[in-house]
Amino acid sequence: QQQVKQSPQSLIVQKGGISIINCAYENTAFDYFPWYQQFPGKGPALLIAIRPDVSEKKEGRFTISFNKSAKQFSLHIMDSQPGDSATYFCAASSGAGSYQLTFGKGTKLSVIP
Amino acid sequence: SQTIHQWPATLVQPVGSPLSLECTVEGTSNPNLYWYRQAAGRGLQLLFYSVGIGQISSEVPQNLSASRPQDRQFILSSKKLLLSDSGFYLCAWNPGFYEQYFGPGTRLTVT
Repeated sequence: QQQVKQSPQSLIVQKGGISIINCAYENTAFDYFPWYQQFPGKGPALLIAIRPDVSEKKEGRFTISFNKSAKQFSLHIMDSQPGDSATYFCAASSGAGSYQLTFGKGTKLSVIP
Repeated sequence: SQTIHQWPATLVQPVGSPLSLECTVEGTSNPNLYWYRQAAGRGLQLLFYSVGIGQISSEVPQNLSASRPQDRQFILSSKKLLLSDSGFYLCAWNPGFYEQYFGPGTRLTVT
């Protein structure tokens, strides 16, 4: 019930291509869905987040698409660059208590020149 | 602006030795604080969280403990380290709302 399932585990994309990472959840109480970007040896950085009242949110080359009925959300990275090579985590929160996040297991993205 | 600090950045400790990792947040008050562990190439495991001074909730039974002696200070401790305690320890905070921000992490190697 509390899980967030993330796929794929790893992804290789050509420079300039579109990277797509998907997540699915079961808990209908979740109402906040962030994505984090983590470079090796660094802490995860909040990249972009969405609430369920909208179906899409865009910030620069990064877009979250959200499908409430399917309980799925995805991260799209347009014009992927080698500097985007990192591990990406999706997460979800219901806001209950301390606003804990339930994380997916991560996707290692490699953007090749 | 808010800043989160963790120290030390790296630590190598022998099995059976004690541990103390510190996390402090600047520029905010009464944050929610979290400790996570990340094994090599793995996801984020929530260990402890705190919604206020002296209030600690444990998510996973561990060889670890946490304390919050001051509003913006969060400490992770162990009396006797195990090999399995090796990992990347991350502190995080949120301002009592959804956005959660991570610190730079501490790389712990138990030998």
